[in-house]
Amino acid sequence: ELKVEQNPLFLSMQEGKNYTIYCNYSTTSDRLYWYRQDPGKSLESLFVLLSNGAVKQEGRLMASLDTKARLSTLHITAAVHDLSATYFCAVDRSGGKFQFGAGTQVVVTP
Amino acid sequence: NAGVTQTPKFQVLKTGQSMTLQCAQDMNHNSMYWYRQDPGMGLRLIYYSASEGTTDKGEVPNGYNVSRLNKREFSLRLESAAPSQTSVYFCASRIYSGNTIYFGEGSWLTVV
Repeated sequence: ELKVEQNPLFLSMQEGKNYTIYCNYSTTSDRLYWYRQDPGKSLESLFVLLSNGAVKQEGRLMASLDTKARLSTLHITAAVHDLSATYFCAVDRSGGKFQFGAGTQVVVTP
Repeated sequence: NAGVTQTPKFQVLKTGQSMTLQCAQDMNHNSMYWYRQDPGMGLRLIYYSASEGTTDKGEVPNGYNVSRLNKREFSLRLESAAPSQTSVYFCASRIYSGNTIYFGEGSWLTVV
């Protein structure tokens, strides 16, 4: 059974500092996805990582994938209040299934 | 630019009642999904349809049925609602494996 584990589950950030969210998964996959969800809203796609060593960056967010370690990281540089949200990673399973981690709730404070 | 449309957005049911959540996408996507979201548990896959004419169980299918009516539409039915089915339900779709999935706005269901 595929397990997708995120840590931490809650992250209190200070504005201007750097932080990392980790996503571990338990079975072979070279496709990993990151999403953002604001309270009461739907999920928005952030990054699609499709191969070992893939790195994607958008603004203050950078995601990377190490398929050998079954680990993806979402790095936040110089956190700002607008980044407060819940971040999910997700992994493709065989046959088209798509499984999510529990999510990391991020709160950025001055 | 509708994307993935879910109806209804809010619903209150009594225990034992039945209802159907409707989902339609206008992006010509092949795969469609139903998830439920509960606090602290992320999104759990209920059922999915990899392509028109096929459906498969996800992690938490008990108490639900689905119909892939055509390429555009994928409905989720609760035959006899239970309080444990109180949740936010998301429909999603994608063109095929290796691409991101796109979500609807969610349906808030309360079973009393």
